[in-house]
Amino acid sequence: DAKTTQPPSMDCAEGRAANLPCNHSTISGNEYVYWYRQIHSQGPQYIIHGLKNNETNEMASLIITEDRKSSTLILPHATLRDTAVYYCIVRVGVTQGGSEKLVFGKGTKLTVNP
Amino acid sequence: NAGVTQTPKFQVLKTGQSMTLQCAQDMNHEYMSWYRQDPGMGLRLIHYSVGAGITDQGEVPNGYNVSRSTTEDFPLRLLSAAPSQTSVYFCASRNSLSYNEQFFGPGTRLTVL
Repeated sequence: DAKTTQPPSMDCAEGRAANLPCNHSTISGNEYVYWYRQIHSQGPQYIIHGLKNNETNEMASLIITEDRKSSTLILPHATLRDTAVYYCIVRVGVTQGGSEKLVFGKGTKLTVNP
Repeated sequence: NAGVTQTPKFQVLKTGQSMTLQCAQDMNHEYMSWYRQDPGMGLRLIHYSVGAGITDQGEVPNGYNVSRSTTEDFPLRLLSAAPSQTSVYFCASRNSLSYNEQFFGPGTRLTVL
């Protein structure tokens, strides 16, 4: 499985956009990029995922470079409740057998400041 | 839907004791899994199941047993607890054939003395 590299911590001002980078230079053609976050003491929460194209949902946007070696998660208007650890995960698409390839790294601790 | 539920929320065991961590989901998901989370280590996959009667090992399976007799339930058993198993345990589920999100439970915080 491809490894990911994320900065250990970042700060962002409330109301501003938070841009969280992720490097995955060894990603394979059939591996998806997933983002999850974990608010203190809670279970991880899915945010967004993508393969090649940029993606947007009600929580965030995901920008994947053309060579797919890196991506950026964008929280357009960060709030204090977005303070969490954000995990970038590269995962092989689901196989017929359904084997799991979701591997969490250490993530980025995002602190949103008032 | 209740989503993924876990019991208990907290547990303290003595070395050598056994216990079962319960996990249930009401979304009819085929796929379920157990993770442990230790400080500075991220989440590590213990065991997973792709359907009733089918289980397999993850990254750190030693010391843990699982079974899957129903779609809804996926208990994790510690046969002889060790201090190294002190951790926070998360159960998760998803639709096996979906590329979408995995749902996580609220976690069980286990301390082994």
